[in-house]
Amino acid sequence: QVQLVQSGAEVKKPGASVKVSCKASGYTFTSYGISWVRQAPGQGLEWMGWISAYNGNTDYAQNLQGRVTMTADSSTTTAYMELRSLRSDDTAVYYCARDFADDLDYWGQGTLVTVSS
Amino acid sequence: SYELTQPPSVSVSPGQMARITCSGDALPKKYAYWYQQKSGQAPVLVIYEDSKRPSGIPERFSGSSSGTMATLTISGAQVEDEADYYCYSTDSSGNHRVFGGGTKLTVL
Repeated sequence: QVQLVQSGAEVKKPGASVKVSCKASGYTFTSYGISWVRQAPGQGLEWMGWISAYNGNTDYAQNLQGRVTMTADSSTTTAYMELRSLRSDDTAVYYCARDFADDLDYWGQGTLVTVSS
Repeated sequence: SYELTQPPSVSVSPGQMARITCSGDALPKKYAYWYQQKSGQAPVLVIYEDSKRPSGIPERFSGSSSGTMATLTISGAQVEDEADYYCYSTDSSGNHRVFGGGTKLTVL
């Protein structure tokens, strides 16, 4: 069955970077993309960006351009999302989701990233 | 930037029909997707491409789209359907994806 398993919770100081992983299994990794979505405490869902697991093409949300990098390693079927220059308002649960033509059909369990001094 | 607009809350009694709307200028040309999120859990896809239901989603969930509005309908809402519901789509260029602000469905 399709599974996306994310790395564990992180606590970071303002200005630091965080890298969250998303290990995929149960499907052909390179046939789909991976989108990343975050949710601040008590808030709605925010789409962060997408990466093609086939060729590494990316598309990032405008408000995160320059601070976020998404990568995918087909040898380990793992996608990564790195966010730099962290601020307190980056505190959120970060989700990866399998993406096919805008359809986010399977989601990881989420990774809590807390940014605090 | 592109926006999808949802009502903040909808409340129905068990067994009643619940309708949640999502408006956006690009919806006449772009599909809408609907996600259910229960407290403390990851979102679950309940409707894709405006009106298709993934396997395992109860038949009481249906979707439609007309003009600039997409609608999620729950026919005979159950207590277990209490959750936040989010619509999701892209702008007319297809380059910018966005979630609606979410609708809290209360069934009591």
